[in-house]
Amino acid sequence: DSGVTQTPKHLITATGQRVTLRCSPRSGDLSVYWYQQSLDQGLQFLIQYYNGEERAKGNILERFSAQQFPDLHSELNLSSLELGDSALYFCASSVEAGGHTDTQYFGPGTRLTVL
Amino acid sequence: AQKITQTQPGMFVQEKEAVTLDCTYDTSDPSYGLFWYKQPSSGEMIFLIYQGSYDQQNATEGRYSLNFQKARKSANLVISASQLGDSAMYFCAMRESNQAGTALIFGKGTTLSVSS
Repeated sequence: DSGVTQTPKHLITATGQRVTLRCSPRSGDLSVYWYQQSLDQGLQFLIQYYNGEERAKGNILERFSAQQFPDLHSELNLSSLELGDSALYFCASSVEAGGHTDTQYFGPGTRLTVL
Repeated sequence: AQKITQTQPGMFVQEKEAVTLDCTYDTSDPSYGLFWYKQPSSGEMIFLIYQGSYDQQNATEGRYSLNFQKARKSANLVISASQLGDSAMYFCAMRESNQAGTALIFGKGTTLSVSS
């Protein structure tokens, strides 16, 4: 158990809908990262927050948004869902804002299926 | 160009044997970290081992060791005394520089199958 929690574990929804994925980082970690894992794209970085502020953006679609709250939990909002958004969404957390020694610990993931 | 290359889509090993999973990387940044993660069929990503670009010694964590060859830009994972529970997908990842806001770049992974 990494100490990172994600809810829900599974989510099935229809095209055009909007969903919210939730993540709680490990105790003491200030950074939260979101990754998407799909068969064709592999593991892709979406966005990072550090202590409530957006820190870095990766391949995140405009239909997707995220935020980190004062208690450091984070939510990833996916809207106007398409079939291609079906994937495993991971949240990871780390102590620092960045740096190559800063290890990221991953949550169990949310498997999103868009029908 | 791919930053992280894992050339072995699948590897097979017998229980109690050692296995090496290959990873090569590409960066011009002198400061970087290399990570290995394990993803069992249940889906979670488990951190295994870390190697920093300035580390003089190869990293070890229990049965896992990292064969770091900086000049060749390779960071192979060695699993000694394989167990059935080691069957999983293994990902090599890199994080560049000491600047904030850098994310992990992952390879495509290697599936390891351990048989009895």
